[in-house]
Amino acid sequence: EAGVVQSPRYKIIEKKQPVAFWCNPISGHNTLYWYRQNLGQGPELLIRYENEEAVDDSQLPKDRFSAERLKGVDSTLKIQPAELGDSAVYLCASSLAPTSGGYNEQFFGPGTRLTVL
Amino acid sequence: GNSVTQMEGPVTLSEEAFLTINCTYTATGYPSLFWYVQYPGEGLQLLLKATKADDKGSNKGFEATYRKETTSFHLEKGSVQVSDSAVYFCALWKTGANNLFFGTGTRLTVIP
Repeated sequence: EAGVVQSPRYKIIEKKQPVAFWCNPISGHNTLYWYRQNLGQGPELLIRYENEEAVDDSQLPKDRFSAERLKGVDSTLKIQPAELGDSAVYLCASSLAPTSGGYNEQFFGPGTRLTVL
Repeated sequence: GNSVTQMEGPVTLSEEAFLTINCTYTATGYPSLFWYVQYPGEGLQLLLKATKADDKGSNKGFEATYRKETTSFHLEKGSVQVSDSAVYFCALWKTGANNLFFGTGTRLTVIP
């Protein structure tokens, strides 16, 4: 079974440029997560989707970040314009939908390492 | 709020040494606790979990016991191998938040 696929794996851009990351979750997983992992830190949630609905985007910096999950499958995370502080690894994860608030294992992609110069 | 405090690394051990990576948490109620591992060039993988107090999670020779009295979930392995070299993350899941809260990670290097 294919895992979570992310592309690109690496991206280097200059500040003020736009950038987009793509994620293809595991087939059948309704829930999709985007995390940001700064150097030397653990991942922090940016946004969580249940199917095509963003149900938790409280940590997403909405002035420059946007995300979409059309048709409830693939997702794209965009930054425009990028700033130096956005350099990080952007992780996508997917899981089956939570049942009664319980935990379903999240499966992570390899991440996209963004460097903003 | 919900948070995880993890032993800072990096940790370097010789093969067959005993490993402990400390993890403590802050949360109201009864969170579920996890250890994730990130091997070089790969995504995070669930290593083990425990969903209630006194549960012991185990996998691949690793163990961790959910201690509510000390709010801890320390990771242990009796004899590490070179292939265990990775970054280890402690995390908690709080029902209602529907979100994983991660520690900062501990890099383990095992030398032959």
